[in-house]
Amino acid sequence: QKEVEQNSGPLSVPEGAIASLNCTYSDRVSQSFFWYRQYSGKSPELIMSIYSNGDKEDGRFTAQLNKASQYVSLLIRDSQPSDSATYLCAVIAGGTSYGKLTFGQGTILTVHP
Amino acid sequence: SAVISQKPSRDICQRGTSLTIQCQVDSQVTMMFWYRQQPGQSLTLIATANQGSEATYESGFVIDKFPISRPNLTFSTLTVSNMSPEDSSIYLCSGHRGPETQYFGPGTRLLVL
Repeated sequence: QKEVEQNSGPLSVPEGAIASLNCTYSDRVSQSFFWYRQYSGKSPELIMSIYSNGDKEDGRFTAQLNKASQYVSLLIRDSQPSDSATYLCAVIAGGTSYGKLTFGQGTILTVHP
Repeated sequence: SAVISQKPSRDICQRGTSLTIQCQVDSQVTMMFWYRQQPGQSLTLIATANQGSEATYESGFVIDKFPISRPNLTFSTLTVSNMSPEDSSIYLCSGHRGPETQYFGPGTRLLVL
């Protein structure tokens, strides 16, 4: 079983729609959760981090965390073509894993005009 | 956000040779890491670069193949030794400065012939 698993893509949404990206993780003691965006040929760019159950909003982005279900998601409202990229979910486990990111396989998002 | 630079940005190397990648962070970070991103894949952690001591390697990575140095808080090097075509990847360093911030350098794109 993969430690961090993202919903299979690619995901295609029309411009202006809400894009929903999902991620599950296997380690119950995971403490920190991140969403990165990676454009083709570029390095990952941090979009959101979340640590507590519930929602965290930043502009058009909302991260949702449910530790009981071991589930974290990213919603992108009013999707724009510039949002087209690979989105990576990453998790830091507890204990001695401080700072170590475990990544999901990524979801390719395409926003079409 | 921290500014992280890497050099070289890309290189083409012959099998059996070694390449040293440098990573510089513009401000002090608590931890530095090295990741690998193989073609079409997500990121995998190679090791934690520890200041003034030996790096901590993840399963599947060994010091003889990927020697790492971190002489101070803001600088680290990764060497890819005795390269083979399977080492063709993007190598990324990251700086971790507290729970909410972990940023990546631009990456070094390595092609081994």
